[in-house]
Amino acid sequence: NAGVTQTPKFQVLKTGQSMTLQCAQDMNHEYMSWYRQDPGMGLRLIHYSVGAGITDQGEVPNGYNVSRSTTEDFPLRLLSAAPSQTSVYFCASRPMGGGEYMNTEAFFGQGTRLTVV
Amino acid sequence: AQKITQTQPGMFVQEKEAVTLDCTYDTSDPSYGLFWYKQPSSGEMIFLIYQGSYDQQNATEGRYSLNFQKARKSANLVISASQLGDSAMYFCAMREVYNFNKFYFGSGTKLNVKP
Repeated sequence: NAGVTQTPKFQVLKTGQSMTLQCAQDMNHEYMSWYRQDPGMGLRLIHYSVGAGITDQGEVPNGYNVSRSTTEDFPLRLLSAAPSQTSVYFCASRPMGGGEYMNTEAFFGQGTRLTVV
Repeated sequence: AQKITQTQPGMFVQEKEAVTLDCTYDTSDPSYGLFWYKQPSSGEMIFLIYQGSYDQQNATEGRYSLNFQKARKSANLVISASQLGDSAMYFCAMREVYNFNKFYFGSGTKLNVKP
C-alpha cells in the first residue's frame, strides 16, 4: 500500500519558471491538502480539496493553483516561481467526516524540497 | 488569530526522564480533533496520538499521553521515559469538523534528548 506519494522529492527552479508538484493517494480519501513548511512557522495550509472537482483556499494560497479531477490526484501548480516559495511542501490526505473516521489522522507524503533561485 | 500555539521552540530533556510539550488551541467548533505528529530529521510526518473534543479520558499510546484540558483549550503531549530516538520536531494539530475538516498546525517544538 503506497499511501501518499509526492514527486519530485527535490527541485530547483529559477525565478519565473513554472512547475507542478504531484500528489497521489491510493486510499480513496476524499480530503486532500497541500502545506508548506518554513522554519519556525510549522505547516501552513495552501489549498485543500474535499472531493473531485472541489477545491478551496487555505491560509497561504497566493502564487499557487490546484485542481482535483480525480479522487486520487491533487497537483499543486506554481505558475511563476518566486524565491519566497522556497520551502518544503507536503501533501496530505484523510477520509472526510466523523463517525468511524473521527480519529483518523492525516496521512502525509514524504515532502518535496523546493528551492527557487 | 493563531489556531494552534506551541510556545516552546526548543526543549532539552535527559534520557529516561518525562517531558511535556505544550499546545493551546483556539476554536469555536464544538466538534474537533487534536493530533500530535513527530517529524524526525529525515523529514517525514509520523502520527503519534489523537484526542477528540468529546472524549472524556485523556488519550494514551504507549509512552505518549495527551493531557487534555478542554476548558483551558490545551492539549499537551507527555512523553514518558524519553529515548534518544525521541529527538525530533513535534507538531500539535487540530481538525475542525464543521470547517471542512481542515487541519491546522502549530509552529512546532524541537525536542533534544540528552544521553
